[in-house]
Amino acid sequence: SQQGEEDPQALSIQEGENATMNCSYKTSINNLQWYRQNSGRGLVHLILIRSNEREKHSGRLRVTLDTSKKSSSLLITASRAADTASYFCATDTGYGQNFVFGPGTRLSVLP
Amino acid sequence: ETGVTQTPRHLVMGMTNKKSLKCEQHLGHNAMYWYKQSAKKPLELMFVYSLEERVENNSVPSRFSPECPNSSHLFLHLHTLQPEDSALYLCASSPLTSVDTDTQYFGPGTRLTVL
Repeated sequence: SQQGEEDPQALSIQEGENATMNCSYKTSINNLQWYRQNSGRGLVHLILIRSNEREKHSGRLRVTLDTSKKSSSLLITASRAADTASYFCATDTGYGQNFVFGPGTRLSVLP
Repeated sequence: ETGVTQTPRHLVMGMTNKKSLKCEQHLGHNAMYWYKQSAKKPLELMFVYSLEERVENNSVPSRFSPECPNSSHLFLHLHTLQPEDSALYLCASSPLTSVDTDTQYFGPGTRLTVL
């Protein structure tokens, strides 16, 4: 199976609520990244967390990494309808050329 | 959008046609990538070019042929495709300035339909 796997596959919340998505992986990594994709479009990089970091923030985004459990979580606080998209984690095990994406979490934020 | 452009945005072709997808990055990056995104499947990395040399070819059928004439341009030549090749083809680039923090910048994709 793939290196990164997101959980849940789909998430539906009300505007203003927090959204949490999880990612699990199997092998050692250099870093883990989260990307967002609006329907049928290209991916946009959100945040990168290195293997020696435990938590990182960017605006309304908070990412945690637990290398002992080989897992990461992405928290979006105070969600907005514009946050509706698919979110992917990607693990990098090499020199930036061994990206493996998970299947993604489809987030729907209802107004 | 992101400094990576792809043309065409939509392509419909028959199984006997030959077509090419084009990707151009205006970011001065040193690596370029082709991905395939099919419905309900994770992104599949197809090809990687680093400094214009192919460094990754993930068992992609020979009916897909990449070309990287310079660090700013990447092509994917298509011939005798199958209907199951219908997908969104995404191009990406990355700077490769740091092995720890290399991130990818994606183009908007080409939606390919093979009839």
